Amino acid sequence: EDQVTQSPEALRLQEGESSSLNCSYTVSGLRGLFWYRQDPGKGPEFLFTLYSAGEEKEKERLKATLTKKESFLHITAPKPEDSATYLCAVQAPPGGYNKLIFGAGTRLAVHP
Amino acid sequence: DTGVSQDPRHKITKRGQNVTFRCDPISEHNRLYWYRQTLGQGPEFLTYFQNEAQLEKSRLLSDRFSAERPKGSFSTLEIQRTEQGDSAMYLCASSPVGNTEAFFGQGTRLTVV
Repeated sequence: EDQVTQSPEALRLQEGESSSLNCSYTVSGLRGLFWYRQDPGKGPEFLFTLYSAGEEKEKERLKATLTKKESFLHITAPKPEDSATYLCAVQAPPGGYNKLIFGAGTRLAVHP
Repeated sequence: DTGVSQDPRHKITKRGQNVTFRCDPISEHNRLYWYRQTLGQGPEFLTYFQNEAQLEKSRLLSDRFSAERPKGSFSTLEIQRTEQGDSAMYLCASSPVGNTEAFFGQGTRLTVV
C-alpha cells in the first residue's frame, strides 16, 4: 500500500538554526513527490515537485532533495515567518497528476 | 482572479442534517480536486473532475457524499445525514491539464454537533 511518513512530527528551532525535515515514502513507481507549506486555517501552498532520485530544487531558504526511498526538506537559517506545517505527498496512480497521498506533516516553529 | 475560492469558510451543523459546499476554481483550470483534512493529519483525496466529468472517487467516500461540476466550472460537495466523524476541513484544489501543480483554496471547516 502506498504510504508517506514524515518526521519529526514537530520541530522547534531558533532563528538561524538550520535543520532538515524527512519524508519517507512507499509507492509502486514514483511519478512525483511534492512539498507543500500550510499555515494555520489555510489551504496548502505548493513549494516543489521532484521526479527522480538525485534531483534537488531550491527556493529562498528551502532546498528539497530526493532519494529512492525518502526526501528531505532542508531549511537554512530559518526565520520566524518560516513557521508552518510542511506537508510531503506522492502521486497516487492511477489518477490525475494531483491525486496525492499526503503525509501527516511536520509542524515547524521558528523562534526569534 | 485571486485563486481558488471556497464557500462557506465555516459551517456548523447538527448531526443528521445535509450540507453543501461550493468551490470556484481558478479560471480555465480544467481539473478540480476535493480533499478532506482532519486535525493533525494531511489532506486525504476524495474525488476529482476533468471539466464536468468525475473521473475518480475514493473508495473511502461513503454513499452519503456526492460531488458535481455541472458546467465544468464551479463544483459542489454535498454530505447527506452528517455524522460527527464528518467534522473536518474540506479542501478544493484546481489545476490546468498537464503536469502542473494544484492550487488549493482556503477550505471549508465543517463542525458536526
